Amino acid sequence: QKEVEQNSGPLSVPEGAIASLNCTYSDRVSQSFFWYRQYSGKSPELIMSIYSNGDKEDGRFTAQLNKASQYVSLLIRDSQPSDSATYLCAVKGAGTASKLTFGTGTRLQVTL
Amino acid sequence: KAGVTQTPRYLIKTRGQQVTLSCSPISGHRSVSWYQQTPGQGLQFLFEYFSETQRNKGNFPGRFSGRQFSNSRSEMNVSTLELGDSALYLCASSPGGGVSNQPQHFGDGTRLSIL
Repeated sequence: QKEVEQNSGPLSVPEGAIASLNCTYSDRVSQSFFWYRQYSGKSPELIMSIYSNGDKEDGRFTAQLNKASQYVSLLIRDSQPSDSATYLCAVKGAGTASKLTFGTGTRLQVTL
Repeated sequence: KAGVTQTPRYLIKTRGQQVTLSCSPISGHRSVSWYQQTPGQGLQFLFEYFSETQRNKGNFPGRFSGRQFSNSRSEMNVSTLELGDSALYLCASSPGGGVSNQPQHFGDGTRLSIL
């Protein structure tokens, strides 16, 4: 079982729709959760951080965390063609020495 | 505030050679992590340095090594290069220390091609 799992996609949504990206993780003591966006040929860029159960909103982005189900998701409202990218879920355990583990990413395509 | 700076951006080497990549973290960040990214494997963790000490290590052979200097700048070395080492090498920095849950911020990466 992979430590952090994501559907590789591509996930195709029409412009203006809501894109829903999902991620599950295996380590129950994970404490910190991040979503990164990576355009083709570029490096990952941080979009959201979430640390406690519930929703966290930032503009068109909402991160949702459910530690009991070991599940984190990212919603993108009013999807734009510029949102087309690969979205990486990253999970970090407790303690200063724990490493950040990435999923393989979900490729999102926003169509006109 | 300047971001994470990686040099060089592109590098072409041949099998058997060695290479050194450099990373300057965001000012004030003391933790530097290195990742290898390939199309098939995604982002694979290499190692993390904090206060000149390797704090964590991924599952890579001993040909991959790194170090961190007192100014938090880090270098990564790969010896006896193999074709499979062709990848994008990414460096990421974070405050580190007691602030363990802060996100990492990535540099633009070094694209290494092995001929």
